[in-house]
Amino acid sequence: IAGITQAPTSQILAAGRRMTLRCTQDMRHNAMYWYRQDLGLGLRLIHYSNTAGTTGKGEVPDGYSVSRANTDDFPLTLASAVPSQTSVYFCASSYGGATDTQYFGPGTRLTVL
Amino acid sequence: GQNIDQPTEMTATEGAIVQINCTYQTSGFNGLFWYQQHAGEAPTFLSYNVLDGLEEKGRFSSFLSRSKGYSYLLLKELQMKDSASYLCAVGDSNYQLIWGAGTKLIIKP
Repeated sequence: IAGITQAPTSQILAAGRRMTLRCTQDMRHNAMYWYRQDLGLGLRLIHYSNTAGTTGKGEVPDGYSVSRANTDDFPLTLASAVPSQTSVYFCASSYGGATDTQYFGPGTRLTVL
Repeated sequence: GQNIDQPTEMTATEGAIVQINCTYQTSGFNGLFWYQQHAGEAPTFLSYNVLDGLEEKGRFSSFLSRSKGYSYLLLKELQMKDSASYLCAVGDSNYQLIWGAGTKLIIKP
């Protein structure tokens, strides 16, 4: 692994289903983030983690949950998907906090029908 | 509320110079970032300003005026590969990044 990876690349999901988006980094960065990006809107922070074992809520956390069991992995779970969660999801990491340079994964394109 | 404004779209000619402006109103200030995002790809870091003035990095330069809540990204000798969206982001008093919606730059031959 080089950098930060996400899986799946894309997914079509029926409303009401549970889905986990995976994110793994090998840069030993302390902080990790989940964003969603919608057309015409800036990146919006869903959840973040400043260090393993801690998480925090961002701007749009409702309907999403995260965990940070170790430094490398930061999965995002949609407990019961709704069509408004159709978006492109980016995971990012930084060595320090959010105002350090963030490195982004390639993104997951999620469609909820 | 916190707000970052950038033009939605700009068009420029290959070989020319273009300036993309960003104005911000945030609770506190902890640095300003510019990221580049090609269509269908992830954002990548371009520049960081925390003090007033101009930071130059090759064909790209970024300027900051904290008193005016203003920054610009200057791209010189434009190439077709510079066609992308340019995202402005500001660190607020909680050390969280507030993102602008991005400026789509179209380069014409």
